[in-house]
Amino acid sequence: KAGVTQTPRYLIKTRGQQVTLSCSPISGHRSVSWYQQTPGQGLQFLFEYFSETQRNKGNFPGRFSGRQFSNSRSEMNVSTLELGDSALYLCASSPGGGGSPLHFGNGTRLTVT
Amino acid sequence: TQLLEQSPQFLSIQEGENLTVYCNSSSVFSSLQWYRQEPGEGPVLLVTVVTGGEVKKLKRLTFQFGDARKDSSLHITAAQPGDTGLYLCAGYSGNTPLVFGKGTRLSVIA
Repeated sequence: KAGVTQTPRYLIKTRGQQVTLSCSPISGHRSVSWYQQTPGQGLQFLFEYFSETQRNKGNFPGRFSGRQFSNSRSEMNVSTLELGDSALYLCASSPGGGGSPLHFGNGTRLTVT
Repeated sequence: TQLLEQSPQFLSIQEGENLTVYCNSSSVFSSLQWYRQEPGEGPVLLVTVVTGGEVKKLKRLTFQFGDARKDSSLHITAAQPGDTGLYLCAGYSGNTPLVFGKGTRLSVIA
């Protein structure tokens, strides 16, 4: 069974630009969660989608948004990038969410200059 | 806001030594998960503990969930270089997303 796939692996953007990250969950998993990982803050929850509906949202500004498609694939978008948005963005899938163990992708490393 | 505090933040030991890392909170969790993350990869689940006082063993790794379900520990016996990585605990308490600690970065030197 293929794991969680995140694209692209690396991204370099300039302040003020926007970016879209993509995540393909494990086949059959309906829940997709996104986390931001930085050395200082660790893993911080962004949002969770289940069957195309946002089920939970973390404490991030409105510049961070996401969506889930009918095939469970998910995208997250960050608009008006700031230097502080530089981080590893991790996507994780699970069969049903709700505390089920997460299966993580290898992340997208975003660098904002 | 639920917080999980992990200690120590960093640990560097020689191959063959034993070690324990801790995950503490003032909140009660219905389950707690441990993950290991290696450079360039996402975290990988090691174990889930759900019952207060529960002990689970995974080869040389022993996981314990506190009686009050507020804390957990991970003990590694005879550490090996392959154990090197970032160890993360994550708590779940119903209707909220998993909350992660900041992790313990372990380096095992051959």
